[in-house]
Amino acid sequence: AQTVTQSQPEMSVQEAETVTLSCTYDTSENNYYLFWYKQPPSRQMILVIRQEAYKQQNATENRFSVNFQKAAKSFSLKISDSQLGDTAMYFCALPGGGADGLTFGKGTHLIIQP
Amino acid sequence: NAGVTQTPKFQVLKTGQSMTLQCAQDMNHEYMSWYRQDPGMGLRLIHYSVGAGITDQGEVPNGYNVSRSTTEDFPLRLLSAAPSQTSVYFCASRPPLAGDSDTQYFGPGTRLTVL
Repeated sequence: AQTVTQSQPEMSVQEAETVTLSCTYDTSENNYYLFWYKQPPSRQMILVIRQEAYKQQNATENRFSVNFQKAAKSFSLKISDSQLGDTAMYFCALPGGGADGLTFGKGTHLIIQP
Repeated sequence: NAGVTQTPKFQVLKTGQSMTLQCAQDMNHEYMSWYRQDPGMGLRLIHYSVGAGITDQGEVPNGYNVSRSTTEDFPLRLLSAAPSQTSVYFCASRPPLAGDSDTQYFGPGTRLTVL
């Protein structure tokens, strides 16, 4: 069974600071994708960034980047120059085997303070 | 494209009532799924479908039925609602595995309260 663990239930930083959200996982797959989703108060699930496990290079999307360490099964999200609009729940997710859906962590509530 | 749409946005039921949560997508995605989100639990997979006429159970299927008669629609049925089914429900769809692999697109969610 696949597991995804987010060990930080809540984090709070000042606007413009850099923050890193942690995620560890367990899977028996060799090739897979990893995802970070953002859920603002509107509750819409928004894809932030995606990493392909066979790629050595860490994914980046503007202010968002990941630190992917396959051997350690770690997939952290770094948000640079944080903005008030980054306040949201952040979920790490991993596809299940075969046609299954995503396995999600329990989420990290990120609060950006003005 | 409207993407993934869900109706209703909010619903209150009494214990024992039945209802159907609607989900539709206009992206011609074969794969569709339903999740529930409870406080402190993240999202958990209820049922999924890999194409019209094919459905299967996820992690928490009890109390829910699904069917897939068309590529576009994937309704979720609660036959006899229970307070334990109070949750936010998300429908999602995914393109074919080649290309944008495993990226799921979510609807806006339905907040269901069972009294």
